[in-house]
Parts: sequence; C-alpha cells; structure tokens
Amino acid sequence: ILNVEQSPQSLHVQEGDSTNFTCSFPSSNFYALHWYRWETAKSPEALFVMTLNGDEKKKGRISATLNTKEGYSYLYIKGSQPEDSATYLCAFRYNNNDMRFGAGTRLTVKP
Amino acid sequence: DGGITQSPKYLFRKEGQNVTLSCEQNLNHDAMYWYRQDPGQGLRLIYYSQIVNDFQKGDIAEGYSVSREKKESFPLTVTSAQKNPTAFYLCASSTSTGQGWTEAFFGQGTRLTVV
Repeated sequence: ILNVEQSPQSLHVQEGDSTNFTCSFPSSNFYALHWYRWETAKSPEALFVMTLNGDEKKKGRISATLNTKEGYSYLYIKGSQPEDSATYLCAFRYNNNDMRFGAGTRLTVKP
Repeated sequence: DGGITQSPKYLFRKEGQNVTLSCEQNLNHDAMYWYRQDPGQGLRLIYYSQIVNDFQKGDIAEGYSVSREKKESFPLTVTSAQKNPTAFYLCASSTSTGQGWTEAFFGQGTRLTVV
C-alpha cells in the first residue's frame, strides 16, 4: 500500500492568518501530485495538478510547491478567510496509474 | 451540464444483502474510480478503471465488485462478503491529455448504512 501522509490532521486559525500544510509521498515512480479542497456537503474540487520537480502553482491566495526528489508538497494559504474552511486533500499518482489520497488536513478559519 | 452523478445519496441495506451503487459520468472521461471514506479517515481506493472492460483492484477491494461495460458507467456492488460496509462512497473520473491524466472530478457520494 502506498503511503501518502498529510500534516497536520487539523488546524484552527484566525481570519487573516497565513497557514500551510504538508503532503508527503513516495519519491519513486512519481507521476503527478494533486491538491483538492473538500467543503462540507460538497464534492472535492481540484486546486492544483503538479507534475514537475520545483513546480509552483498559485490560485488567488492559495499556492503550492512540489519537491519530487524528497517526496513532499506544501500548500500555502495567505490571509485565511472563513470561506477557506474545508478539508484539503492531496493525491499521488504513480506510474500514470491510480490516485492515492492522504487523509487530509481539516482547516477551520475563525472570524 | 457535464458531471458525475451518484445514486442514491443515502442507502440502507440489511446484513447479508448485496447492493449496487451507481456512478454515471457524461464528461467523456476514460478513467473512473471508487473510494471509500470512514469517519476520521481519508479516501481509500476500492477499484479503478482506465478503459472500458478493464479495471484494477485498489487497496481495499475485498468484498466489492465492479464492471465497466460502458465508458459512462462504473457501478460498484457491495457484496455480503464485505464485513464492514457502512461508509461514505465517492466516485470520481478523470481523462488523459497529451500531458497525462487530468485532475479528478467527483460525484456527490453515497452514504451506505447496514441495518
């Protein structure tokens, strides 16, 4: 079983705080790394698809980096807002095959 | 609207019965996936299929079966052999471009309860 680890498991921050999460994955047979946001009562939605070592992606206040050699990716949220409250999932693709998810980081942003 | 439809949203099953969860997509995606989520845990892969008439086991395939007779459909059967079937089930799909597989699109999920 491929292990995809996410930390922390949960995070509570105040509105306006910046925060970051970690996703660790096997560094061999890397194909792609995905980040998803999963809001309560909705379906997970993709944030980023990252494929190259050193990739940096940005969407508004959210950005992500990728290090395939050491097997980790960081997701950053700048100036957190209550609407950022969600579970953030990373998913690892290896050898162009299936996707394996981490357990997620549950973010709560307090007004 | 293009998307993935899972039905039903809630399902109750008596112990010992098989039950089939539906997943249909009209996105023309090649790959489809089934995941299971238990309280406090992440998504665990049950089965996936990258082309019609072919599918592969994930980490927790025991007690489940799937078919992929049509590109649009990937039903999951929870058999009586699945010892602890009560869970939330998510179906997803993705497609392949010249640069590889895209991100996944998800259904709304089915919550299965064994009574």
